[in-house]
Amino acid sequence: DVKVTQSSRYLVKRTGEKVFLECVQDMDHENMFWYRQDPGLGLRLIYFSYDVKMKEKGDIPEGYSVSREKKERFSLILESASTNQTSMYLCASSPSLTAYSNQPQHFGDGTRLSIL
Amino acid sequence: AQSVTQPDIHITVSEGASLELRCNYSYGATPYLFWYVQSPGQGLQLLLKYFSGDTLVQGIKGFEAEFKRSQSSFNLRKPSVHWSDAAEYFCAVAPLSGGYNKLIFGAGTRLAVHP
Repeated sequence: DVKVTQSSRYLVKRTGEKVFLECVQDMDHENMFWYRQDPGLGLRLIYFSYDVKMKEKGDIPEGYSVSREKKERFSLILESASTNQTSMYLCASSPSLTAYSNQPQHFGDGTRLSIL
Repeated sequence: AQSVTQPDIHITVSEGASLELRCNYSYGATPYLFWYVQSPGQGLQLLLKYFSGDTLVQGIKGFEAEFKRSQSSFNLRKPSVHWSDAAEYFCAVAPLSGGYNKLIFGAGTRLAVHP
């Protein structure tokens, strides 16, 4: 079974802090994703990565950056945390694909982040 | 713009009753279609997926979904709901030409089950 592990289930930080959320997958997947989940909005893609050191902006990248130094690890960084970044953050991974691939994404359990 | 609509924010059913959760998408061509379930405090688990072929797909936990091209719909069904099915359900699409398996999610439907 694919295992996607997020380092923290709950995290509380202060406004202005630099925050790191870590995600590790154990299935040698090429693609990794970071989403935020808010009530009534579903999941929105922040950033994704299709290879080591490669990244692409998703739909809501502002205020975030990412790092992928190793294939199995994908980090989300809040450069200067703000209260509107309080949310549930979900990491996902999937195998490499062509434009017509059919592999679903596998999700971690999420990190509930509160910014005070 | 591509979008996914789940018209029902909350649904409550009695245990043993049938269930249908609605999903409509807006896209020029038939995308890949998915249903995920999220139990409280958990990540998302894939219930089923549609890529091509038979328009009625079977998933885990007794769920099925039917793709209707004419209605741009992919509704999720279960004939008899169990209390453990209480969760939030997300419909998602992956455009064929999107590359990198990007998913577009609906806002979700929260299901409550009465005993």
